[in-house]
Amino acid sequence: QKEVEQDPGPLSVPEGAIVSLNCTYSNSAFQYFMWYRQYSRKGPELLMYTYSSGNKEDGRFTAQVDKSSKYISLFIRDSQPSDSATYLCAMSQSGNQFYFGTGTSLTVIP
Amino acid sequence: GAVVSQHPSRVICKSGTSVKIECRSLDFQATTMFWYRQFPKQSLMLMATSNEGSKATYEQGVEKDKFLINHASLTLSTLTVTSAHPEDSSFYICSARPQGGGSKNIQYFGAGTRLSVL
Repeated sequence: QKEVEQDPGPLSVPEGAIVSLNCTYSNSAFQYFMWYRQYSRKGPELLMYTYSSGNKEDGRFTAQVDKSSKYISLFIRDSQPSDSATYLCAMSQSGNQFYFGTGTSLTVIP
Repeated sequence: GAVVSQHPSRVICKSGTSVKIECRSLDFQATTMFWYRQFPKQSLMLMATSNEGSKATYEQGVEKDKFLINHASLTLSTLTVTSAHPEDSSFYICSARPQGGGSKNIQYFGAGTRLSVL
C-alpha cells in the first residue's frame, strides 16, 4: 500500500465551479500536510500548509485535514482557467521525509 | 518570502559532458535540501536528501557517483550530473526546508532544470 494515494484525474470543470481535490494516507503519524500547484514544466508552488487537523482558508482555497479518516482535501472556489495545473498533496511526520501524491491534473474550461 | 532559485532552467549538452545545477534558498537558511527527478506526466521521484556539511543520502537505485551532490552552505546545494547520457535527460527539481523545524517542516521548490543530453 502506498503511503499517499491521490486520484490522478484528469479532472475537467467549467469556470466558476467548486473543485474538490483529495488525498488519503496510511501513516497516522503524519502531522504536516501540504498542497502544491505545479504548472507544466515548472517547479511545484506551495499553496497551503496545515499542521495537524483542521481547516485553513486562503482566498479561494480551503485545505481540510481529517486525521481520524486519514483524509485531506483542497477546495478551490470560483475556479479560474489560471487554476489549470497539476495539484500535489504532500505530508510528513517530522519534516525529515516527505511523501507525495501522484498529482491530480485539473483543467478549468472558460 | 521562502524563495528557492534554481539555475540553469534549461541545459542542452553533448553526451559525456558533466552538468552542474545550482539550488539556492534566497531568503532563508536551509539545513536540508532535496533533489528530485520528474518524468513527463509523473510525480516527483526523490533522488537524494542533502544536509549542510554532510554527505547526501541517496535513494535506492540512484547512483551516487553519477549524481554528485554538494551542500556546502546553508543556502546552496549543487547537483552535478557526471558523464551525462541521453537517458539522463529529464526535469530536475530541488527543494529546501527552512532551518528550525516545527511549523517550518515544509519544502519550497525551485523552478526546475530541464536537461537534454544529445
